[in-house]
Amino acid sequence: GQNIDQPTEMTATEGAIVQINCTYQTSGFNGLFWYQQHAGEAPTFLSYNVLDGLEEKGRFSSFLSRSKGYSYLLLKELQMKDSASYLCAVRVGGDYKLSFGAGTTVTVRA
Amino acid sequence: DTAVSQTPKYLVTQMGNDKSIKCEQNLGHDTMYWYKQDSKKFLKIMFSYNNKELIINETVPNRFSPKSPDKAHLNLHINSLELGDSAVYFCASSQAADTQYFGPGTRLTVL
Repeated sequence: GQNIDQPTEMTATEGAIVQINCTYQTSGFNGLFWYQQHAGEAPTFLSYNVLDGLEEKGRFSSFLSRSKGYSYLLLKELQMKDSASYLCAVRVGGDYKLSFGAGTTVTVRA
Repeated sequence: DTAVSQTPKYLVTQMGNDKSIKCEQNLGHDTMYWYKQDSKKFLKIMFSYNNKELIINETVPNRFSPKSPDKAHLNLHINSLELGDSAVYFCASSQAADTQYFGPGTRLTVL
């Protein structure tokens, strides 16, 4: 199976920047996804990385280093509505299956 | 114009009962999934169907039986419900192995 690690909780102030790290150990890596999940709601897709480097989407960016088995999700100009759980998920080979980390709960304070 | 929908949203039932959860997607995707999210928020794949064919069947008790009558629907039937089955069950869909889109979830409580 895949070993996917992310911090359990993070707290930050409105307007600040937060970086959520995700490390994974797998063979046949074929893509990493980030999802956002508000309490009591469905996970929603944020970003996808399959090649090394940074993908930017508005206030959110995601970075991947395949050689280090490492990704991060960067949230800039934090807003209260960004308080949620952020899930890192890895796809292996031609598998349709995603293996999820346990999620990082981000709390944004005023 | 909901993309992935599930019914019911909440399900409360007694131990030993049999229940079903339904899922429908109108995205035209060919692949659908069932995930279980436990109280620790860990999201784990259970089953997946591609073009009505079972392609993922994780280590799940055989009390759980998925059924896909067509590409747009994937149902989950659970026999002899146990306390440990209490969780949120999410349906998802994708086009082949592309990005997966999740339904709103069904919160199952077994008493």
